[in-house]
Amino acid sequence: DAGVTQSPTHLIKTRGQQVTLRCSPKSGHDTVSWYQQALGQGPQFIFQYYEEEERQRGNFPDRFSGHQFPNYSSELNVNALLLGDSALYLCASSLGSLQGVTYEQYFGPGTRLTVT
Amino acid sequence: AQSVTQLDSHVSVSEGTPVLLRCNYSSSYSPSLFWYVQHPNKGLQLLLKYTSAATLVKGINGFEAEFKKSETSFHLTKPSAHMSDAAEYFCVVTSRFSGGYNKLIFGAGTRLAVHP
Repeated sequence: DAGVTQSPTHLIKTRGQQVTLRCSPKSGHDTVSWYQQALGQGPQFIFQYYEEEERQRGNFPDRFSGHQFPNYSSELNVNALLLGDSALYLCASSLGSLQGVTYEQYFGPGTRLTVT
Repeated sequence: AQSVTQLDSHVSVSEGTPVLLRCNYSSSYSPSLFWYVQHPNKGLQLLLKYTSAATLVKGINGFEAEFKKSETSFHLTKPSAHMSDAAEYFCVVTSRFSGGYNKLIFGAGTRLAVHP
């Protein structure tokens, strides 16, 4: 059973460019969350997708957008890249949680984005 | 609002000695709590979770944690450290009653070093 996969592994972009990161969830999972982990810090929640809709968003600007496809895979898009966007981007999958039930999130290996 | 404070940014122990990584949380709702481990250049792996059952939670690789509501703490322990335990550890909180949304709030992390 494949776990969460992400592509690409590493990416180097220039300021002002746009980037797309991809995530395939663990088999059977329908919810995808994205996190940004800057060097030396804990991951920060960007947003979560369920049933192809963004249902929760963290404190990130509109330059960060996403999409979820019918097969539950997801993309993270970042426009107008800034140097500060350099980070490890982590994707996590889980079951869509019910009120009072917390399903654990399984993380992929991440995509290391460097903005120069 | 929810938050997590990991009280030590670095912990250093000798192989074979006990490990204690400290975590305090703040949550307006009944929390679910997790410990994740991150080895260098690897994704996040779930060590253990507390959702509402037993307050003493056992995880993988001999780790355990105790949920203490009165102290708002969820410290991670292991009786005997191994060299392979050297990694970054994250304490994480989420809410079990947030309308089904379960974004994870991470602490800043504790880097555990294990010396021979």
